[in-house]
Amino acid sequence: DAKTTQPNSMESNEEEPVHLPCNHSTISGTDYIHWYRQLPSQGPEYVIHGLTSNVNNRMASLAIAEDRKSSTLILHRATLRDAAVYYCILRVGFGGSNYKLTFGKGTLLTVNP
Amino acid sequence: ETGVTQTPRHLVMGMTNKKSLKCEQHLGHNAMYWYKQSAKKPLELMFVYSLEERVENNSVPSRFSPECPNSSHLFLHLHTLQPEDSALYLCASSQHSGNTIYFGEGSWLTVV
Repeated sequence: DAKTTQPNSMESNEEEPVHLPCNHSTISGTDYIHWYRQLPSQGPEYVIHGLTSNVNNRMASLAIAEDRKSSTLILHRATLRDAAVYYCILRVGFGGSNYKLTFGKGTLLTVNP
Repeated sequence: ETGVTQTPRHLVMGMTNKKSLKCEQHLGHNAMYWYKQSAKKPLELMFVYSLEERVENNSVPSRFSPECPNSSHLFLHLHTLQPEDSALYLCASSQHSGNTIYFGEGSWLTVV
């Protein structure tokens, strides 16, 4: 499986923007870049995904490098509720129309009040 | 509320017991997954069911036995587990060619 590399941890202050980086130098042309996050004592939740173009939704923005070998998840104004482990994952096909997500260790984001 | 419900939320079982974890999704999806999350380790994909057929089994020991009777329900049958099997077991669902996976809140399993 194509792998991703993320910093183990990052810190931010409340109300400030946060840029969470991810490297995926072995990405293939059909791999989507997905971001999930896991709040304490909960299952992971979807944040955003993209293929080539930058994407925005109500939770975050995803900036994808032109060569697709890296991406950045942007939280525009961090809140205490954004403290979580953020996973950058490549969605890869494994047979027919089936896809799977392989999680790494992610980045633990701490938000300071 | 993600539309994926797991029961029980917490389970303590002895090594000789037989128990089952249940997952139900109310999202109309046709693919379901079991993941395992041990302390300080990444989530590990255990099984994938797509259109009610098992399409992925990631070298999981036979003491874990999945069952998918229909597209809305997924079970994980447990027997003769070891203490190292204690973990958070997460169920998820998606459309089989879809882009988003929805997770349940997980079942915390302790094997004593």
